[in-house]
Amino acid sequence: EPEVTQTPSHQVTQMGQEVILRCVPISNHLYFYWYRQILGQKVEFLVSFYNNEISEKSEIFDDQFSVERPDGSNFTLKIRSTKLEDSAMYFCASSAERGSNEQFFGPGTRLTVL
Amino acid sequence: QQQVKQSPQSLIVQKGGISIINCAYENTAFDYFPWYQQFPGKGPALLIAIRPDVSEKKEGRFTISFNKSAKQFSLHIMDSQPGDSATYFCAASKSGGYQKVTFGTGTKLQVIP
Repeated sequence: EPEVTQTPSHQVTQMGQEVILRCVPISNHLYFYWYRQILGQKVEFLVSFYNNEISEKSEIFDDQFSVERPDGSNFTLKIRSTKLEDSAMYFCASSAERGSNEQFFGPGTRLTVL
Repeated sequence: QQQVKQSPQSLIVQKGGISIINCAYENTAFDYFPWYQQFPGKGPALLIAIRPDVSEKKEGRFTISFNKSAKQFSLHIMDSQPGDSATYFCAASKSGGYQKVTFGTGTKLQVIP
């Protein structure tokens, strides 16, 4: 069964460093998302991406964040200068087509900022 | 207005019992209500979903009840099993691609033998 994959599973970085989280969405999916989950809290929407541009972003997704689909398979989230409060689980998700609400989530990348 | 409220925060149920998790929403533009199941260290996985044109949807041991006028919906897990122990999130979104999912705060369910 096709699935969303994410790498790395765990990333440790120093405050102020740049990190890139990588995702490979399900191959025929058109819509891509990033969510985050701070430990013990709910899953929060960060950004949605369609047709090579951002469709919607939350207030969390400030200028320190960016997303890119550099090729036909990868979808990346970059945090330019990490802060302690960026420590969280980051989930990539994808959905198939217009009108489909079903989003498939990857296993997540645990980001730890020291 | 974008919030989805969920209760209880945690739930302990005996094996074979019924687990009930309740959610409420405010935004009447929401028209898709999924429930996600999350095991430790894993991403949320879609369990079952409902649209507001029906009041109930059942898939195996899992049932969603939906009350559009009250803006409430609930998940019932019949014959709860230890393997059901996980965190459950209710959620809501608008129809269509690229629509973000707004999650509830989660319910940690423990089913004891």
